[in-house]
Amino acid sequence: GAGVSQTPSNKVTEKGKYVELRCDPISGHTALYWYRQSLGQGPEFLIYFQGTGAADDSGLPNDRFFAVRPEGSVSTLKIQRTERGDSAVYLCASSLNPGYGYTFGSGTRLTVV
Amino acid sequence: QQQVKQSPQSLIVQKGGISIINCAYENTAFDYFPWYQQFPGKGPALLIAIRPDVSEKKEGRFTISFNKSAKQFSLHIMDSQPGDSATYFCAASKTSGSRLTFGEGTQLTVNP
Repeated sequence: GAGVSQTPSNKVTEKGKYVELRCDPISGHTALYWYRQSLGQGPEFLIYFQGTGAADDSGLPNDRFFAVRPEGSVSTLKIQRTERGDSAVYLCASSLNPGYGYTFGSGTRLTVV
Repeated sequence: QQQVKQSPQSLIVQKGGISIINCAYENTAFDYFPWYQQFPGKGPALLIAIRPDVSEKKEGRFTISFNKSAKQFSLHIMDSQPGDSATYFCAASKTSGSRLTFGEGTQLTVNP
């Protein structure tokens, strides 16, 4: 497709459950980013992939969060033992050149109840 | 640590007026300063960006002014329209870096 696609668009899960969020970047974009946006706040960086490898994962809040991009295209953000504080919109972005020119997806709204 | 501070938090202007949003940054290593526009339920979309080697950049009704010595930059929206009503985020990054640091956002309302 022409844009960054994220699925699901909404996810409601119970506290303690495991969730996976998917991102399909723009074809040919080697850089892929995950951000988290809480209500009324700007996006906060989580992790950056260049190709298949995580070039910078320093934004992941703790070891319950993990992301993969095994073939250098689709990425999955995985959250274990979800907590209510994990509720937010998780945004994925891709770019041709690292650091700028991002195109964001519409996000996955995660609600932990 | 809030490295990019944005103001005001909300702004209401009349149609045809000028909207001005300000940002200040701390990290002198930042050398790329974009502005994003976000509508409800959508991801941020790049509006305009500037590098510190110029003091102003204009694209249509949108202008970025940049003051390197003061570590400040601003977005001016000329002839504001109701369709401009959205949340605007400033951001900053290092060219060679991997992440954008965003401001907290400004909710702009343009009244008809």
